[in-house]
Amino acid sequence: GEDVEQSLFLSVREGDSSVINCTYTDSSSTYLYWYKQEPGAGLQLLTYIFSNMDMKQDQRLTVLLNKKDKHLSLRIADTQTGDSAIYFCAQEGRSGGYNKLIFGAGTRLAVHP
Amino acid sequence: EAEVAQSPRYKITEKSQAVAFWCDPISGHATLYWYRQILGQGPELLVQFQDESVVDDSQLPKDRFSAERLKGVDSTLKIQPAELGDSAMYLCASSSQPGQYTEAFFGQGTRLTVV
Repeated sequence: GEDVEQSLFLSVREGDSSVINCTYTDSSSTYLYWYKQEPGAGLQLLTYIFSNMDMKQDQRLTVLLNKKDKHLSLRIADTQTGDSAIYFCAQEGRSGGYNKLIFGAGTRLAVHP
Repeated sequence: EAEVAQSPRYKITEKSQAVAFWCDPISGHATLYWYRQILGQGPELLVQFQDESVVDDSQLPKDRFSAERLKGVDSTLKIQPAELGDSAMYLCASSSQPGQYTEAFFGQGTRLTVV
């Protein structure tokens, strides 16, 4: 079946790196995604990675993809208090002939001084 | 900057009442999605439109939920009657192509509380 799993909480000190991990089930996903949700807000697409890539870097964000283990991670370098939010991993799944996003439950990142 | 507009932002309703949410997607986006996000969980797709047609409503509780996009632009999601378990954030998203989530944008959501 389709399932995306993430750890629920992560606490880091300001300035350290954060690593948020995710496992997924559908190996046919063309893209895998990371979304950010701040309190009371909608989802913001942070970054995504094409399934034939191992790594993608975008400023402070690094995405690592291990297709063999179906493991995705998001690393945030020099984590700031403004990075405190819930981070969702998502894979693509097929439904009715169209792609849909399947989200994990989200990892709540708390950044403390 | 173009954005997906949703209203209301917050809604409190009594159980057994009817409630409706509205979404205006980014101009030109043919694909519109409604997601439901229960507290502590990730969003789950309720319904997907391509223009005015529903292409996926497999997770929509059709005995009480309905969705329409009459002119292929804005959309309304209705719940009648509302139940306590419907309390959640309802998110609308749009994209230019179906399943093109690399270019999908989400609205701020409507937080529904059923009392």
